Amino acid sequence: KQEVTQIPAALSVPEGENLVLNCSFTDSAIYNLQWFRQDPGKGLTSLLLIQSSQREQTSGRLNASLDKSSGRSTLYIAASQPGDSATYLCAVEMDSSYKLIFGSGTRLLVRP
Amino acid sequence: GAVVSQHPSWVICKSGTSVKIECRSLDFQATTMFWYRQFPKQSLMLMATSNEGSKATYEQGVEKDKFLINHASLTLSTLTVTSAHPEDSSFYICSGSTGGPINEQFFGPGTRLTVL
Repeated sequence: KQEVTQIPAALSVPEGENLVLNCSFTDSAIYNLQWFRQDPGKGLTSLLLIQSSQREQTSGRLNASLDKSSGRSTLYIAASQPGDSATYLCAVEMDSSYKLIFGSGTRLLVRP
Repeated sequence: GAVVSQHPSWVICKSGTSVKIECRSLDFQATTMFWYRQFPKQSLMLMATSNEGSKATYEQGVEKDKFLINHASLTLSTLTVTSAHPEDSSFYICSGSTGGPINEQFFGPGTRLTVL
């Protein structure tokens, strides 16, 4: 059974810092991996999707990497801003069924 | 990007009543829709998957007679919580997928259900 773990559970950094969020999964036979952002009491916003054949994706200040063999993904946020404060979730899709398995998230606070 | 709406955004009901939550894809056709539940400070747990025109597939441990899902069109899915109890209080989120080789799910804003 696939398990997705995110470390740390919470993170507080001063504005301007570069930071890394980690996601690990137990079964490396994934179809793709996605990173989402969730603001309190809100739905999810897709940030990046990495297909199993890819190693990284970039969007603006965000860069996500994927190492399938070791069951790890990282989300790198450059020059963090208070507006980046949110919960970041990673999710893996095991096959083409489109079903996502979510990690428990990292709650990020960027202090002004 | 594709937009998914949910209605209502929040609802409070008495124990024993039924509540219907709508999920609509506004600018795309969602061949598959998903319903998730999220308890406070926990992650999303998939409840069921529905394809337009067919019966929903429920995850293990989710009572299909309690959580009725209808996906009557490519832009609308509904979740009805029947005979709701306080333990059903949660944040319910739907998502829609256009299908195809690259699955990208677009999530609704969620519905906060409180059962008194």
